[in-house]
Amino acid sequence: QVQLVESGGGVVQSGGSLRLSCVVSGLIFSRSGMNWVRQAPGKGLEWVTFIRDDGTDINYSDSVKGRFTVSRDNSKNTVYLQMNSLRPEDTAMYYCARDQNVNYFDYWGRGTLVTVSS
Amino acid sequence: EIVLTQSPATLSLSPGERATLSCRASQSVNDYLAWYQKKPGQAPRLLIYDASNRATGIPTRFSGSGSGTDFSLTISSLEPEDFAVYYCQQRDNWPPIFTFGPGTRVEMK
Repeated sequence: QVQLVESGGGVVQSGGSLRLSCVVSGLIFSRSGMNWVRQAPGKGLEWVTFIRDDGTDINYSDSVKGRFTVSRDNSKNTVYLQMNSLRPEDTAMYYCARDQNVNYFDYWGRGTLVTVSS
Repeated sequence: EIVLTQSPATLSLSPGERATLSCRASQSVNDYLAWYQKKPGQAPRLLIYDASNRATGIPTRFSGSGSGTDFSLTISSLEPEDFAVYYCQQRDNWPPIFTFGPGTRVEMK
């Protein structure tokens, strides 16, 4: 079955960095657009970033642009999120999600929690 | 940038009742609208895609309708496990920007 497993979350001080990983199995990763979506405590879902199946197209939400970098390694079925200059408002559960036809998210991981302390 | 608005913010209903949730877009999204269910401690679950298509394994009591700027998610008869927060979502531009609505909480009355 399809599995997306995130890791790399933790507690970091404001201004610090973290690198999240998401390992995917059970689907053709090299043909899958991948995304990171987050949910801050008590808040709604917020899309963070998209990376095309071959990595040639990338986009970010305005809230993370210039601080976060998404990448992927199709040989390892893994997508990464490098998060720099972290702020308390980046505190959230971070989910990786596969997009179907770049329209909606059909598979999700269980998430990894990032806490940024001030 | 397309903004999604959901109403009501909270819906208080009893099991067996019908739930109708609304999602309105600030401009046309054609039929590229999806609905998700979110429960605490769980990943979001895709319910409906392309406005009216049920995702794999989703019970038939869930249905979606609408086009352009106005969409609805209907749960025909609420089961205890349906009490959750529901989000609509759309995509525009290239490279894509994805947007979620603020959510509707369906709570037990």
